[in-house]
Amino acid sequence: GDSVTQMEGPVTLSEEAFLTINCTYTATGYPSLFWYVQYPGEGLQLLLKATKADDKGSNKGFEATYRKETTSFHLEKGSVQVSDSAVYFCALWSNTGKLIFGQGTTLQVKP
Amino acid sequence: GAGVSQSPSNKVTEKGKDVELRCDPISGHTALYWYRQSLGQGLEFLIYFQGNSAPDKSGLPSDRFSAERTGGSVSTLTIQRTQQEDSAVYLCASSLLGTISDNYGYTFGSGTRLTVV
Repeated sequence: GDSVTQMEGPVTLSEEAFLTINCTYTATGYPSLFWYVQYPGEGLQLLLKATKADDKGSNKGFEATYRKETTSFHLEKGSVQVSDSAVYFCALWSNTGKLIFGQGTTLQVKP
Repeated sequence: GAGVSQSPSNKVTEKGKDVELRCDPISGHTALYWYRQSLGQGLEFLIYFQGNSAPDKSGLPSDRFSAERTGGSVSTLTIQRTQQEDSAVYLCASSLLGTISDNYGYTFGSGTRLTVV
């Protein structure tokens, strides 16, 4: 069945460091891909998405490119801030009619 | 409404009592989902509605859990004879189509934090 695998956390970075959170998927066809973010004490919010191969989703300085060759959708940011500390979830639309989420990656940014 | 609304936002209940959690999705969204997030854990899928029917209820952990959706809108998740392991944040989400061609993903509610004492 469809699945999403994220790199294990927690990821701890200093402010202004470069961020990569790896996400790979297994699915039939080419599903839409998403990154969701959950800030401390808040609900999940859509961060960015890509709906077809080679699409790049971007928002708030974060980017992710849909790579069908490597079945990946890695999240990147050039310079993280303390306010980026959160849990990040990668997800895909499954043909079972629901989003399949990865296990989440906790990011902690230290000043 | 403008967003997905869940109530109550917090619920403390005694072990063995029944609880009802409510979700009001975005108007016009045909698909509605329930997830559970335990402390420090990822998202555990519970059940999914397309309209009023539930084509996938594979995630309900036991027969103490049930859910319904009426009028293609509001959904209620009921937990009977609550146990301490039921303590978690229960998240509801809705989406426009609920299919692979729906490029909007989910919109989540803020969740109901359930504590069973």
